[in-house]
Amino acid sequence: NAGVMQNPRHLVRRRGQEARLRCSPMKGHSHVYWYRQLPEEGLKFMVYLQKENIIDESGMPKERFSAEFPKEGPSILRIQQVVRGDSAAYFCASSPRAGGGGQETQYFGPGTRLLVL
Amino acid sequence: AQSVTQPDIHITVSEGASLELRCNYSYGATPYLFWYVQSPGQGLQLLLKYFSGDTLVQGIKGFEAEFKRSQSSFNLRKPSVHWSDAAEYFCAVGDGNEKLTFGTGTRLTIIP
Repeated sequence: NAGVMQNPRHLVRRRGQEARLRCSPMKGHSHVYWYRQLPEEGLKFMVYLQKENIIDESGMPKERFSAEFPKEGPSILRIQQVVRGDSAAYFCASSPRAGGGGQETQYFGPGTRLLVL
Repeated sequence: AQSVTQPDIHITVSEGASLELRCNYSYGATPYLFWYVQSPGQGLQLLLKYFSGDTLVQGIKGFEAEFKRSQSSFNLRKPSVHWSDAAEYFCAVGDGNEKLTFGTGTRLTIIP
């Protein structure tokens, strides 16, 4: 059973470009979470999605960031007009049911390291 | 709002020695507590979690953690570390719904 898959593993963008990060949850998991890890910091919650729905985006920056989890295909985290401060590791996690901050376990992918030049 | 403090940024331990990593949390209700480990360039792997019941929780790789409500702590322990334990360790608290709040992590170095 494959784990959570993220691609690309490394992404380099110049300021002003767009970054698209993909996350394929574990088989049978319909709940996806995105976290950002800035250098020398812990992971910060960004957004929680179920299929075709954004449930909690309280951790998302108000501008330039968006996320989706379509009925078919991976979840996408999109960053428009990237700036140097967006350089970070972005982790995706999935769980089979709701409650990933409680009794359900979140399973993490290997992350995408974004570098903005 | 919930928060997690890991007071030790970096710890160095000799191989075979015992280990304790500290974690303090702030949360208004009964917390859901987790320890994750992150190897370089990898994602996070769950070591153990506490929801309720026995305050001493056993995890994978020989790790255990003890929940102490009076001290708002959830320290991670291992009686004898192996070189392969070198990694970054994160403590996290869950709100019971969907959100995990992580500490800033403790980097563990093992010396021969």
